[in-house]
Amino acid sequence: ETGVTQSPTHLIKTRGQQVTLRCSSQSGHNTVSWYQQALGQGPQFIFQYYREEENGRGNFPPRFSGLQFPNYSSELNVNALELDDSALYLCASSLGGPGANEKLFFGSGTQLSVL
Amino acid sequence: QKEVEQNSGPLSVPEGAIASLNCTYSDRGSQSFFWYRQYSGKSPELIMSIYSNGDKEDGRFTAQLNKASQYVSLLIRDSQPSDSATYLCAVDSNYQLIWGAGTKLIIKP
Repeated sequence: ETGVTQSPTHLIKTRGQQVTLRCSSQSGHNTVSWYQQALGQGPQFIFQYYREEENGRGNFPPRFSGLQFPNYSSELNVNALELDDSALYLCASSLGGPGANEKLFFGSGTQLSVL
Repeated sequence: QKEVEQNSGPLSVPEGAIASLNCTYSDRGSQSFFWYRQYSGKSPELIMSIYSNGDKEDGRFTAQLNKASQYVSLLIRDSQPSDSATYLCAVDSNYQLIWGAGTKLIIKP
């Protein structure tokens, strides 16, 4: 049990739609990172937020956006869904400051299917 | 493009033997290295972190780092069936983690 919860666990959308995925981190974890994990691949870094500001971004287009709130919750929004967006989306929180990756606490993920 | 490479496996090891998992990375500036275990349908969990050249031991697990060769490895001694999982190598590169695709490890009873 990592203390990080994600919702929903599964989601089915059609191409072109928009989706919002949610994450609730442990209290005190100021840093949250979002990852995309395609089947058979390692996680790909989408972006990281620290104290409600985006702190770093991977190689993902602007239609992937995020928010972090003062209550340690965060959101990943994806617009104009494409078939290749089908993947497991993971959020991970950590205690450290910007760029902190020493120990990530992962949620159980949201499995997104785009049809 | 910064990369982390792992043999996808599967790597099959008899119960009680030593499992050896390897990882190479491209960013010479990386300073932090991690091994995560991921069971099927679950999220990754941290097993070991290593920051300096040499070996680091934690119970049945030993991580080895050679920065000159840009090589990280994980040894699992006395392998148990519960160690069957995918092992992901992650490298800290410019404040983001770059992940390998993972090695699937199967421990045969």
